[in-house]
Amino acid sequence: AQSVTQLDSHVSVSEGTPVLLRCNYSSSYSPSLFWYVQHPNKGLQLLLKYTSAATLVKGINGFEAEFKKSETSFHLTKPSAHMSDAAEYFCVVKAGAAGNKLTFGGGTRVLVKP
Amino acid sequence: DADVTQTPRNRITKTGKRIMLECSQTKGHDRMYWYRQDPGLGLRLIYYSFDVKDINKGEISDGYSVSRQAQAKFSLSLESAIPNQTALYFCATSDTRTGGMNTEAFFGQGTRLTVV
Repeated sequence: AQSVTQLDSHVSVSEGTPVLLRCNYSSSYSPSLFWYVQHPNKGLQLLLKYTSAATLVKGINGFEAEFKKSETSFHLTKPSAHMSDAAEYFCVVKAGAAGNKLTFGGGTRVLVKP
Repeated sequence: DADVTQTPRNRITKTGKRIMLECSQTKGHDRMYWYRQDPGLGLRLIYYSFDVKDINKGEISDGYSVSRQAQAKFSLSLESAIPNQTALYFCATSDTRTGGMNTEAFFGQGTRLTVV
């Protein structure tokens, strides 16, 4: 079994300040982990993924995430928020013998203030 | 053109009606999925298909059925729609033949379904 917990349902930041979105997972197998972003009225776009290579993963639009096995975490960060970062973000785990199902966290909605 | 196309994009239907949501892909991926999104719950898996002859139930398949008519097409049906099936539905694909078992999924734009 696998599960994902996004610790904040809403995050509000000022433009130009750092963004931190927290994600904890549980999995009986070595997981692959993903962050997706969903802008209003849009589909989901992959930001970055971890698949057992480097633990610090860089993604698009200046985002990065660090896989910490000891803490079962995969937090997403960005040094400086931009207005266009306002969206909902999903942490996702994929693991197991079947390796076919994505399990989503509940999502974190990011508000960026001018 | 989008690689994963869902039709319709929006639909309002009445309780008890049968409705079909369609998904087609031009990516040549082997696996296709249907998810529903509800606020605060993320996306939950309804059905998934490894190929045309391999269909599997997800975590919330009750009240839904699917058909994989071709590698590129995967439709979701609500046999008798009910109001708590009001949600945003997403189709997704993944390519395990070249990307391996843990490759990412690619999503369509979503279908917003309202059951009144």
